[in-house]
Amino acid sequence: GEDVEQSLFLSVREGDSSVINCTYTDSSSTYLYWYKQEPGAGLQLLTYIFSNMDMKQDQRLTVLLNKKDKHLSLRIADTQTGDSAIYFCAGMTTDSWGKLQFGAGTQVVVTP
Amino acid sequence: EPEVTQTPSHQVTQMGQEVILRCVPISNHLYFYWYRQILGQKVEFLVSFYNNEISEKSEIFDDQFSVERPDGSNFTLKIRSTKLEDSAMYFCASGRKTDTQYFGPGTRLTVL
Repeated sequence: GEDVEQSLFLSVREGDSSVINCTYTDSSSTYLYWYKQEPGAGLQLLTYIFSNMDMKQDQRLTVLLNKKDKHLSLRIADTQTGDSAIYFCAGMTTDSWGKLQFGAGTQVVVTP
Repeated sequence: EPEVTQTPSHQVTQMGQEVILRCVPISNHLYFYWYRQILGQKVEFLVSFYNNEISEKSEIFDDQFSVERPDGSNFTLKIRSTKLEDSAMYFCASGRKTDTQYFGPGTRLTVL
């Protein structure tokens, strides 16, 4: 099955860019996702990318996918204090439609 | 914007008791899911549900668990005889297609 790994913590200054990294093991991962979890809240779907894409941009968010290295990243431009949250990377493989495999989450702390 | 809702937000129960966790998915969605997150661990897939039947379930989803869509709006997870290790945050999710899942805020289950 899929295994998804993330670094656990990232500290960034307000106004800087944040880059959150994720690696996955299953090359048949077809969809890769980024979710955001604020304290006391559920998992908010931020963006996702199909495996036939290398990059996806959505306002301040840029997702880069390196299929050769099985590496996914989320860049947040002009990071704000409201971006402080836990960010989860998740993947879905072709042999397990609907079953998201999550990473442990990266705690992002934005400092003034 | 429509959201997935879950009730209760926190449920405390005694070991061996039955609990029912309730979810109201987004109204035009067809695919439904339950996940759980034990404190300090990854979010884990439990079960997916489509067309009034289970599509896929994980090894965690044993005979003490069941799901039901009793009417056109609710989606429930029942745990028949709770154990201490069932203490976790339980997330419901729904999707119009299999490629995206929208999560509710979760129910924190505490088994004493």
